[in-house]
Amino acid sequence: EADIYQTPRYLVIGTGKKITLECSQTMGHDKMYWYQQDPGMELHLIHYSYGVNSTEKGDLSSESTVSRIRTEHFPLTLESARPSHTSQYLCASSEDSGRAVGEQYFGPGTRLTVT
Amino acid sequence: EDKVVQSPLSLVVHEGDTVTLNCSYEVTNFRSLLWYKQEKKAPTFLFMLTSSGIEKKSGRLSSILDKKELFSILNITATQTGDSAIYLCAVEGFILTGGGNKLTFGTGTQLKVEL
Repeated sequence: EADIYQTPRYLVIGTGKKITLECSQTMGHDKMYWYQQDPGMELHLIHYSYGVNSTEKGDLSSESTVSRIRTEHFPLTLESARPSHTSQYLCASSEDSGRAVGEQYFGPGTRLTVT
Repeated sequence: EDKVVQSPLSLVVHEGDTVTLNCSYEVTNFRSLLWYKQEKKAPTFLFMLTSSGIEKKSGRLSSILDKKELFSILNITATQTGDSAIYLCAVEGFILTGGGNKLTFGTGTQLKVEL
């Protein structure tokens, strides 16, 4: 059983608010990822990290930012939420070495609705 | 640009039927192909395939990869209602920006198993 957690699970928030989506894993994985998934659509990588103080943008442009100060924690922040940010956000981690990704363990996701 | 195409997009079968899900891909510097099952929220890992022609098997599920023809299939025999889910195919390939590899996901096949 993978130990990766996301909070909140559901969030409804007004336009312009700042929000932080939390993601934590207890497996000691160096690699962590944030995906965005709209209903019926594929997962799109928006951010990833290969370890502490390492963050990169993924292949889907996103106005969110991330930080990686601790191995186990990879929060995602939206400074000013907009309705276009409404989506499901999935956090994942993997333990493969070097550049490889390997099997990813996913958190339960955060369903974000911006009104 | 890396691309993963899954077919069919959706499928309804009766319990006891056998189903075959398809995944074709185009990716730079292929490393592996992964299958995930997504029920409700978080995808859960099923298989990782790296070599052509070697079948991976777990209970009623099996999968095989053809690196020459660039596709994989996922078979489920004697389907049960608990198999109802979205089955995601993802391919790991090399990316240039920031270095390292990433997963490119297909849109998934929605499988519904009825009594």
